[in-house]
Amino acid sequence: EAGVAQSPRYKIIEKRQSVAFWCNPISGHATLYWYQQILGQGPKLLIQFQNNGVVDDSQLPKDRFSAERLKGVDSTLKIQPAKLEDSAVYLCASSSPAGPLWYEQYFGPGTRLTVT
Amino acid sequence: AQSVTQPDIHITVSEGASLELRCNYSYGATPYLFWYVQSPGQGLQLLLKYFSGDTLVQGIKGFEAEFKRSQSSFNLRKPSVHWSDAAEYFCAVGRSYNTDKLIFGTGTRLQVFP
Repeated sequence: EAGVAQSPRYKIIEKRQSVAFWCNPISGHATLYWYQQILGQGPKLLIQFQNNGVVDDSQLPKDRFSAERLKGVDSTLKIQPAKLEDSAVYLCASSSPAGPLWYEQYFGPGTRLTVT
Repeated sequence: AQSVTQPDIHITVSEGASLELRCNYSYGATPYLFWYVQSPGQGLQLLLKYFSGDTLVQGIKGFEAEFKRSQSSFNLRKPSVHWSDAAEYFCAVGRSYNTDKLIFGTGTRLQVFP
C-alpha cells in the first residue's frame, strides 16, 4: 500500500510570509496527525483529526497556525505569518483506530521548513 | 505530566558490536511504550511496542526492548549492529487509555563505523 505522502519536501520562506503544507494519508486511515519536529527535539503533536473533525489542537499556536481536513482525507497545515522559530520539520502521520494495528502511526517523510 | 528522557544524544558503535539505547519515562499509570526509528529524509517507523505482559518485547530489524517498571525504563537493544542501523531513534510514551497521544523523547542519533 502507498504510504503517507507530503509536499513540498522542502520550503524556504522569509519571516512574516505564509506557507502551506499538504498531506495525503494512507487510504482508509481515519486519524491524521500533524507534528512539529524542531532540530534536536522529538516530534510534538500540533493537531489530530478523526475523519474531518478536530480531536486535539491544544498545542497548535492558533494565532498563526491553521489546519483543515476537508472530506476526511487530505489535510493542509498553514502558517501565517511565519516566524523564525517555526523552522522545523513538519510531519504528517495517519492511523486506523479500528484496525488490528490501531496503535501504530504511519509517518510521512516530512516537510523541512526554513524561515529566514 | 508524562515525559520521556533519552539521556544519550549521540552514540557511536562499530559494526557488529552490541547496542543499548536508554529511555526513561515518567507516567503515573501503566504506560504504553514505543520505539521509533527515523532514517535521514524519511518518516518515523515503528520498531516495537510494549503494552502489557512479557516485559521483553521483540521488534523488527532484530531489535528488542525490555520494560523495567522499577526503573521506569524501556531500553532498546540489538546484539549486533549493522551499518544500515545508523539513524535517529525515538522513545515515546502513550497513555494507556488514549495511546494515540504520544509524547516523544529528544532522540538518540546512532552512528555506525565499519
